[in-house]
Amino acid sequence: SAVISQKPSRDICQRGTSLTIQCQVDSQVTMMFWYRQQPGQSLTLIATANQGSEATYESGFVIDKFPISRPNLTFSTLTVSNMSPEDSSIYLCSVGGPGNEKLFFGSGTQLSVL
Amino acid sequence: KQEVTQIPAALSVPEGENLVLNCSFTDSAIYNLQWFRQDPGKGLTSLLLIQSSQREQTSGRLNASLDKSSGRSTLYIAASQPGDSATYLCAVSPGTASKLTFGTGTRLQVTL
Repeated sequence: SAVISQKPSRDICQRGTSLTIQCQVDSQVTMMFWYRQQPGQSLTLIATANQGSEATYESGFVIDKFPISRPNLTFSTLTVSNMSPEDSSIYLCSVGGPGNEKLFFGSGTQLSVL
Repeated sequence: KQEVTQIPAALSVPEGENLVLNCSFTDSAIYNLQWFRQDPGKGLTSLLLIQSSQREQTSGRLNASLDKSSGRSTLYIAASQPGDSATYLCAVSPGTASKLTFGTGTRLQVTL
């Protein structure tokens, strides 16, 4: 199984600011995924981060709001830009396991925007 | 568009009881289905993965079944323990390393 370290674990931010979340994996993986879990809701995929190419965003999510970097096969960042209270959520990164079947998740970033 | 629903949304049972969590999905063209456990502050832990060609998977006290044609899966937990208290999520994938569609979750509390 993959070990995923996600930072920060939680943060409280002011409206209009930006926060960058880091995801570090202990092995090289082709695809990394970023999910959002709004309060009381299930997980929704934001984008797929591929090394060497631009991230692929799901409907309702745009690069200007959620820019993603994937500089190598073990690391990715997600930035939540120009935050508003509606961005208060848990953000999780995940990676595919061997055979790219099982998904493994980081511990998540609990974001609160005031 | 795939939609995944879980029933019940919340469940409270006394320790030792056997229980069943239900998951239904609208599009039967899935590659696999996973059951996850979510604990506050600890992210998600994959419990069981069932390939579309399989009928069930077992791990310890957990047994997951899949009826792909009817769009249903169940997670059976035997002899529940307080440590089983968590939110259980099912998720379906249309292909390998592919994005998952998650269910709404069942919040389970096992009481002493």
